[in-house]
Amino acid sequence: GEDVEQSLFLSVREGDSSVINCTYTDSSSTYLYWYKQEPGAGLQLLTYIFSNMDMKQDQRLTVLLNKKDKHLSLRIADTQTGDSAIYFCAEKIYGGSQGNLIFGKGTKLSVKP
Amino acid sequence: DAEITQSPRHKITETGRQVTLACHQTWNHNNMFWYRQDLGHGLRLIHYSYGVHDTNKGEVSDGYSVSRSNTEDLPLTLESAASSQTSVYFCASSTGTGAGELFFGEGSRLTVL
Repeated sequence: GEDVEQSLFLSVREGDSSVINCTYTDSSSTYLYWYKQEPGAGLQLLTYIFSNMDMKQDQRLTVLLNKKDKHLSLRIADTQTGDSAIYFCAEKIYGGSQGNLIFGKGTKLSVKP
Repeated sequence: DAEITQSPRHKITETGRQVTLACHQTWNHNNMFWYRQDLGHGLRLIHYSYGVHDTNKGEVSDGYSVSRSNTEDLPLTLESAASSQTSVYFCASSTGTGAGELFFGEGSRLTVL
């Protein structure tokens, strides 16, 4: 079945770059997403990439997509303490029992001053 | 501004009681979803709806039910609460078209004693 895998924890120093990695299994995915969850809050869409793109850049965020390896990454440049949160990778699938999106378990990013 | 709200935000109940968590969105979205979030499991889909009178089971639907009588609301009912249903519950909605961004509520923390 469909699955999205990501590492559970990442710790970086303020000012460094953070790279959060994700692998997915469904080759028919059309969109891949990064959601951010701050403590005590719901998830918010950070960015997404269409499957026919290799890269998307949005200010400090860079998303890289390797369709051959089914690998998605999120790079946060100049990481700040306010970036501390849980980051979820997700893919969009159609039909099945999963509804709209399949989420990974989330990567908790800790930023040390 | 359009929004999605959940209530109650926190609830403590006893095993065997019926509990209903409310979800109301003013985005006029057709698609609505209920997830539960647990440590080590990430987000798991409980039920979802693609429109009025449409409901579908997700990955972890046992012990839960939903009904969709209008566009704005998708209440989640736990028929007979169990300790295994202690969790944080998130409601989300989307248009279902294009990238289909999910908009999440703030979550409802349920404790079953």
